[in-house]
Amino acid sequence: QSALTQPPSASGSPGQSVTISCTGTSSDVGVYDYVSWYQQHPGKAPKLIIYEVIKRPSGVPDRFSGSKSGNTASLTVSGLQAEDEADYYCSSYAGSNNLVFGGGTKLTVL
Amino acid sequence: QLQLQESGPRLVKPSETLSLTCSVSGGSMNSNSYSWGWIRQPPGKGLEWIGSIFYSGSTYNNPSLKSRVTMSVDTSKNQFSLKLNSVTAPDTAVYYCARHLGYSHGGEWIDPWGQGTLVTVSS
Repeated sequence: QSALTQPPSASGSPGQSVTISCTGTSSDVGVYDYVSWYQQHPGKAPKLIIYEVIKRPSGVPDRFSGSKSGNTASLTVSGLQAEDEADYYCSSYAGSNNLVFGGGTKLTVL
Repeated sequence: QLQLQESGPRLVKPSETLSLTCSVSGGSMNSNSYSWGWIRQPPGKGLEWIGSIFYSGSTYNNPSLKSRVTMSVDTSKNQFSLKLNSVTAPDTAVYYCARHLGYSHGGEWIDPWGQGTLVTVSS
């Protein structure tokens, strides 16, 4: 299984919206609605912010939203805040009880 | 609130076996709704899924690591463990233990995560 493809960086000003893409294949993102997203601040463990493409765990602000079209999933952060500056990783179920991660995207709030 | 904590040697010699244990508190491991797994992150790099284990002992591994990975679970102690044999320098990473949730026994998403422990492979 190959890693999912994410842009290495993204940026936006406070209050703006930014979208991070996550491209897989017809063996993972394209066939399963089990894409999840994780936020990781420096020196901290990743935190689940989106699962099953569009669902948010309790306590995650609704500024975070997920979507999927074909083999590409996306995470949108609306109303950017300074605290959103972090690394973001996507993950997808890849069948046969396997998971695959993306390479990560560093989000900078300008 | 479920919490996970990794423990084990922080320094492992090349060709030896890396061994880590994850202690789970705030909940029971005896559930068919979760599995328990490992993810690693080399310094400055991205996340790599290692594998997961169901409470019954069934294991699911990343194909790229499968031959070197052994996982076990001890629900009586609320612990699960990882062994990675024949380690080399590229196995140097922060190793996270975490609960896997979802519909399959291996899980489709991960929450929560332990704080992680850096394991260095060096002589």
